[in-house]
Amino acid sequence: EAGVTQFPSHSVIEKGQTVTLRCDPISGHDNLYWYRRVMGKEIKFLLHFVKESKQDESGMPNNRFLAERTGGTYSTLKVQPAELEDSGVYFCASSQPGTVPNYGYTFGSGTRLTVV
Amino acid sequence: QKEVEQNSGPLSVPEGAIASLNCTYSDRGSQSFFWYRQYSGKSPELIMSIYSNGDKEDGRFTAQLNKASQYVSLLIRDSQPSDSATYLCAVWAGGYNKLIFGAGTRLAVHP
Repeated sequence: EAGVTQFPSHSVIEKGQTVTLRCDPISGHDNLYWYRRVMGKEIKFLLHFVKESKQDESGMPNNRFLAERTGGTYSTLKVQPAELEDSGVYFCASSQPGTVPNYGYTFGSGTRLTVV
Repeated sequence: QKEVEQNSGPLSVPEGAIASLNCTYSDRGSQSFFWYRQYSGKSPELIMSIYSNGDKEDGRFTAQLNKASQYVSLLIRDSQPSDSATYLCAVWAGGYNKLIFGAGTRLAVHP
């Protein structure tokens, strides 16, 4: 079974540019989560999809961030325009419905975003 | 107060010793508790989960939960240099329908 796949693995962009991160969850996992880790801080929740619907986007920092999950398969997270404070590692995680309390999530390897 | 608190470390232990990692959480409604291990530049990897008060053992790892004290810990026996990583405590509070993470404790096991 393929794991959660994220790309790119690294991205360096200039302030004001646009970047799109992609996450392919494990097949059959309806739940898809985006998290972000800024250096030295905790992994912070950004949003949660159930299939193609946004279940919870309370962690999205501001309207420069746009997440989509068309068709309930892969998801994209676009940052436009990027700011210096957006730098960090963006993780995607997925799970089957109802399993998180028992089994947690499976994480992707993350996208390290550096805004210069 | 942070929702999930961990000492950032580094916690340095000699090879073969017991490493003790601690975590406190603020939401009394929290139901499930997880320990993830994250090597530098890699994704978090689930190593233990615990739901009931008491101890849960899996190989060299023991998770301990005390809901009254809102405290979770992870013991690693016979620590190995390969255990050197950041250990993340995560809490599932059903009302939030997501995992809340602590900042992690960096463990360094030296030969």
